[in-house]
Amino acid sequence: AQSVAQPEDQVNVAEGNPLTVKCTYSVSGNPYLFWYVQYPNRGLQFLLKYITGDNLVKGSYGFEAEFNKSQTSFHLKKPSALVSDSALYFCAVRDGPSGTYKYIFGTGTRLKVLA
Amino acid sequence: DTAVSQTPKYLVTQMGNDKSIKCEQNLGHDTMYWYKQDSKKFLKIMFSYNNKELIINETVPNRFSPKSPDKAHLNLHINSLELGDSAVYFCASGLLGVAGNEQFFGPGTRLTVL
Repeated sequence: AQSVAQPEDQVNVAEGNPLTVKCTYSVSGNPYLFWYVQYPNRGLQFLLKYITGDNLVKGSYGFEAEFNKSQTSFHLKKPSALVSDSALYFCAVRDGPSGTYKYIFGTGTRLKVLA
Repeated sequence: DTAVSQTPKYLVTQMGNDKSIKCEQNLGHDTMYWYKQDSKKFLKIMFSYNNKELIINETVPNRFSPKSPDKAHLNLHINSLELGDSAVYFCASGLLGVAGNEQFFGPGTRLTVL
C-alpha cells in the first residue's frame, strides 16, 4: 500500500530564513504527491502537487516542492519564511486503483516561524 | 459562495445520542469524502462517494452511516455516539476521473461527545 512519512512533528525557523518540511513516500508505480496546509480551526488547503514532469513544482503562497525519485522524497520548501506561514502541513499520496482513488495523508508537521 | 460547506461547525452532545453532519459542494465535483481528524491531528479517510455511489468504506464502525442524496451532498449520520467519536470531521470533494486532482476541504465539524 502507498504511504507517506513526515519525520518531523515540528519545524521552527526564523522569519526570513529558508524553510524545509520533509516528506518521504512509498508507492508502487508513479507517485501522485500533494502538499496541503491547515491553519488553526480551518480545513485543509491545497498548496501544490507533483504528477509528472519537472521535479520542481511551484505552488501557492511562494511554496515549492522538489520531487526526488531516487530518495523517494517530496520536500516542501520556501526561500524566505513569513510568520503567517505558521501552520500544520500535510503531505499526501494518492492511493488505490482507478475508480477508487483515495488520499493517504502523513501525520503532519507543525511549522512555527519565529519573528 | 463557499466551495465546500459543512453544518454544523460545532456539535456537543451526550453519549448514546444520534447526530448528523451535512456537507455540500458547489464545485461540480463528482466525488465526496469524509475524513476524521483526531486530537493528534491525524487525518484518516472514512468514506467516499462517487456520483452517489459508495466507493470507499474504510474500517469504520457501522454506527457511522453516510448518505449521498445527490453528487453535491454527502451527509454523515452517527448512531449511539461514544466518547471516542470526539474529533473534527472534514468533508472534501474532488474529480475522481482526473488523475492527480486535488481535493477541496470544508471547514470541519468539531464533534464533542460528553
